[in-house]
Amino acid sequence: QKEVEQNSGPLSVPEGAIASLNCTYSDRGSQSFFWYRQYSGKSPELIMSIYSNGDKEDGRFTAQLNKASQYVSLLIRDSQPSDSATYLCAVNTFSGGYNKLIFGAGTRLAVHP
Amino acid sequence: EPEVTQTPSHQVTQMGQEVILRCVPISNHLYFYWYRQILGQKVEFLVSFYNNEISEKSEIFDDQFSVERPDGSNFTLKIRSTKLEDSAMYFCASSTGTGGSASPAFFGQGTRLTVV
Repeated sequence: QKEVEQNSGPLSVPEGAIASLNCTYSDRGSQSFFWYRQYSGKSPELIMSIYSNGDKEDGRFTAQLNKASQYVSLLIRDSQPSDSATYLCAVNTFSGGYNKLIFGAGTRLAVHP
Repeated sequence: EPEVTQTPSHQVTQMGQEVILRCVPISNHLYFYWYRQILGQKVEFLVSFYNNEISEKSEIFDDQFSVERPDGSNFTLKIRSTKLEDSAMYFCASSTGTGGSASPAFFGQGTRLTVV
């Protein structure tokens, strides 16, 4: 069973701080990794994709990937109250010629003023 | 910006009834998916669809469920003889993804199914 693990939180950070979200995955063959943000009652919204080891920055967001350790992380700089949401780590698995995303349970982030 | 659209946004049905959830994927996408999320739980994969056939399905996707692409734009999930435990948010998603390094999936706004 291919799995994606995340700390459920809640992770509470003050406004302006850096929020660090972590994820580990079991399928060593995975090549594509995504972070989604989900507000309560809403659908997952893509915020970052990462395919290669190292860091990828997009605005206040930085995704980090270490395939050897099977570890993905998301850093949110200058956290804002509007960043309060559940962050879902998703890992693409590719078998039999087809793709599917496996989601972690999500980490709830609370940014307090 | 292109988006995945789902209808209805909320469906209430009686136990034992059949429901059809509808989705219009992004037009140039090739892969289509249904996921569900029971309240307070994780997003769970149900089924993927490519080239007019199911490419993979989860253990959840049993004979009670079926998917169809009846025309060039719609993608539907049918749930026969609904049960109380089918109450969840159902998300449709689509992607261009090919090969091992897949493009991301984009999600519709979801259909909240309530079985009473």
